[in-house]
Amino acid sequence: QKEVEQNSGPLSVPEGAIASLNCTYSDRGSQSFFWYRQYSGKSPELIMFIYSNGDKEDGRFTAQLNKASQYVSLLIRDSQPSDSATYLCAVNRGSTLGRLYFGRGTQLTVWP
Amino acid sequence: EAGVAQSPRYKIIEKRQSVAFWCNPISGHATLYWYQQILGQGPKLLIQFQNNGVVDDSQLPKDRFSAERLKGVDSTLKIQPAKLEDSAVYLCASSSRWGTQADEQYFGPGTRLTVT
Repeated sequence: QKEVEQNSGPLSVPEGAIASLNCTYSDRGSQSFFWYRQYSGKSPELIMFIYSNGDKEDGRFTAQLNKASQYVSLLIRDSQPSDSATYLCAVNRGSTLGRLYFGRGTQLTVWP
Repeated sequence: EAGVAQSPRYKIIEKRQSVAFWCNPISGHATLYWYQQILGQGPKLLIQFQNNGVVDDSQLPKDRFSAERLKGVDSTLKIQPAKLEDSAVYLCASSSRWGTQADEQYFGPGTRLTVT
C-alpha cells in the first residue's frame, strides 16, 4: 500500500466550478498535510497545509481533513484556467521529522 | 524575501560521469532538503539537514550520491557515477519550523538532470 494515494486524473472542470481533489494516506499517526501546486516544468508551490480535523479556508482554497478516515481533500472554488496544474498531496508522518511523503499528483484542467 | 536558489537549471551528462548541484536556502531557514522527482511521480526525499547536521539520509543511494552542507547554509548534492535511472529533477527545499506540525517546505526551481 502506498503511503499517499491520489487519483491521477485528469480532472476536468469548467471555469467557475468547484474542483475537488482527494488524497488518502496509510499512516494513521500522520500529523500534518500539505497541498502543493505544480505547473508543467516548474517546481512545487505550497498552497496550504492543515493538521486539525475539519476545514481550513484560504481564499478560494479549502482543505478538509478527516483523520478517522485518513482522508484529506482540497476544494478550489470559482476555478480559473490559471488553476490548471498538477496538485500534489504531501504528508508529514511526524515519526520521520521533516520528511514529506508525496502522492503522484492529480492533474487538473479548467476549461474556459 | 528571496526564495530558494538552485544551479544549474539543466544538466546533460553521459552515464558514469559525475555531476554536482548547488542549493542556497531561504535566509534564516535552518532545515534544508533534497528531493528527487522522476517524471510522473511525486518528489521523494533523498536527504535532509538541520543546520549542518544530517537528520535523515535513509533513502540516499550512498554508493553514488553524497551531499554536504558546510557552515549550515549552502548545500551541494553530488552523483558519481551517474546512471540512466538518475534522470530526474532534483529539488531543494528549505523550512524554518522543523519538528512542528507547521513545517512548511518551500522549493527551489530545481535542476533537471538528463543522463544519456
